[in-house]
Amino acid sequence: KAGVTQTPRYLIKTRGQQVTLSCSPISGHRSVSWYQQTPGQGLQFLFEYFSETQRNKGNFPGRFSGRQFSNSRSEMNVSTLELGDSALYLCASSGDATNEKLFFGSGTQLSVL
Amino acid sequence: GESVGLHLPTLSVQEGDNSIINCAYSNSASDYFIWYKQESGKGPQFIIDIRSNMDKRQGQRVTVLLNKTVKHLSLQIAATQPGDSAVYFCAEKRGGGGGFKTIFGAGTRLFVKA
Repeated sequence: KAGVTQTPRYLIKTRGQQVTLSCSPISGHRSVSWYQQTPGQGLQFLFEYFSETQRNKGNFPGRFSGRQFSNSRSEMNVSTLELGDSALYLCASSGDATNEKLFFGSGTQLSVL
Repeated sequence: GESVGLHLPTLSVQEGDNSIINCAYSNSASDYFIWYKQESGKGPQFIIDIRSNMDKRQGQRVTVLLNKTVKHLSLQIAATQPGDSAVYFCAEKRGGGGGFKTIFGAGTRLFVKA
């Protein structure tokens, strides 16, 4: 089976712009979680989707949003980018409804200038 | 707040020695704990997990110990190899809001000296 695929791998944006990141989970996995990773804050939970429904959300401002499609692929969007949004954004999929074992993609490295 | 903490940010060991990475968690209601390994340029990778009804679980060269009394988790790596050099995260699964989320610790960087 192919692993979790995230695109693009690298992205450079300027303040005020918006960005959309994509994640394709492992085939058959219905749960997708998103994390932000920075050197200072570590891995911070953004949100989790299961069967197109957001089940859980982390403590991030409303500028961060996401969605999941019927094929389980997911996208996250960040609007009005700030310098502090520069981070590695990781997507993980899980094959069980309780998200016990996560399979991560290699992430999208976002740089905001 | 939500946190799973680490005792040491870096650990340096000699190749062939055993490594022990420690972790403290804050939520006494958590019932499932996981260790992940992250190599440079990659996402975290599952290593081993343990449920709260256990105090020890062994895998291939790795052992996880859970002490619920003091809310402490540790990962032991036997005969550490250069390929074990990475950042290791402890994590716990938490429910709420109809779904589940995995909360990660800050991470410990393991250096293996040849």
